[in-house]
Amino acid sequence: DAEITQSPRHKITETGRQVTLACHQTWNHNNMFWYRQDLGHGLRLIHYSYGVQDTNKGEVSDGYSVSRSNTEDLPLTLESAASSQTSVYFCASSEQMNTEAFFGQGTRLTVV
Amino acid sequence: GIQVEQSPPDLILQEGANSTLRCNFSDSVNNLQWFHQNPWGQLINLFYIPSGTKQNGRLSATTVATERYSLLYISSSQTTDSGVYFCAVESGYALNFGKGTSLLVTP
Repeated sequence: DAEITQSPRHKITETGRQVTLACHQTWNHNNMFWYRQDLGHGLRLIHYSYGVQDTNKGEVSDGYSVSRSNTEDLPLTLESAASSQTSVYFCASSEQMNTEAFFGQGTRLTVV
Repeated sequence: GIQVEQSPPDLILQEGANSTLRCNFSDSVNNLQWFHQNPWGQLINLFYIPSGTKQNGRLSATTVATERYSLLYISSSQTTDSGVYFCAVESGYALNFGKGTSLLVTP
């Protein structure tokens, strides 16, 4: 079955370190997204991509970057982790705009 | 950006009861989805419903796009229905989420 997987599921890192969260989908979807979920804010969009070599900023993109070198993967990098980036991160994909999106299991990141 | 408001924010039901969750949005949308976030944190797709009515077992959903709202109906609730229900709408480039309705179903 096609799926979307995130790794790691849990990570603890120190302030100032670079961290990369992986997202891999096997649906061959064009669109991929990264969200963060925090109490009181719901899910907020960090970055998104409509295809290979395409990346765009979402509403909370400061301190994060993504790259899309192939269809299957959209890794999320925290350049210099901050305590404010402690959160649960979700990756999602959809075939194209306005089609059903599917989410990964989430990555719980703690920055100490 | 588009605003998504869900009500009620919290709901406690006894097993077997029915409930209606509401999602209001501030602009026209091309995509609307309902999700269930279970106690383990997984986001489960319930409905892709930009307009019309759909049913899946004890759950059904209706979206009235012209009036900018959607309703999720849960009938004969079970303890496994507990969790947070999110409405998300897309009017441009990605889904925008409401803050969710937290549902607790007690035995």
